[in-house]
Amino acid sequence: TQLLEQSPQFLSIQEGENLTVYCNSSSVFSSLQWYRQEPGEGPVLLVTVVTGGEVKKLKRLTFQFGDARKDSSLHITAAQPGDTGLYLCAGPQRVGFKTIFGAGTRLFVKA
Amino acid sequence: EADIYQTPRYLVIGTGKKITLECSQTMGHDKMYWYQQDPGMELHLIHYSYGVNSTEKGDLSSESTVSRIRTEHFPLTLESARPSHTSQYLCASSNFAEAFFGQGTRLTVV
Repeated sequence: TQLLEQSPQFLSIQEGENLTVYCNSSSVFSSLQWYRQEPGEGPVLLVTVVTGGEVKKLKRLTFQFGDARKDSSLHITAAQPGDTGLYLCAGPQRVGFKTIFGAGTRLFVKA
Repeated sequence: EADIYQTPRYLVIGTGKKITLECSQTMGHDKMYWYQQDPGMELHLIHYSYGVNSTEKGDLSSESTVSRIRTEHFPLTLESARPSHTSQYLCASSNFAEAFFGQGTRLTVV
């Protein structure tokens, strides 16, 4: 069974700080996705990374896919209160392409 | 903008009532999912469908049932609601990788 483990589970920081959250697996994934979920809403897709070593930037968010395609990281520069939410990583299983999710990192950015 | 819709958005219902949560997508995705999520907690997969007439239970045991008669429609039914069913229910669909979610149904059973 392919599993995705996210760390840390919870992160509380001050506005303006930088942070990195991680998504790890012992299995190779063809791609990984990152989502952000705000309270009371469904998760929203932020990015897909496909190529080992790939780096993608979305404003202050930087996503990296590990060279071996077993892990990914999300770095936020100068966090803002609007970044508060649950960050989920996900990927398709090798067989059947069923999407599996990590448990998420809950981020709280204090003003 | 993802084209996946859930209704109702909020539902408060009495114990013992039968309810159906609706989910429809217009993207032609084969795979559809139902997740249960309590406030501040992770997503728990309760039902999954590979395609029409194909459904299976998820990782979290649920008393609900689902059907997939049409590609675009994946309703979830609770025959007899109980307070323990109070939660947020999220529907999603995917093709090969990326999943798209509805806004969710917040169910409260009193």
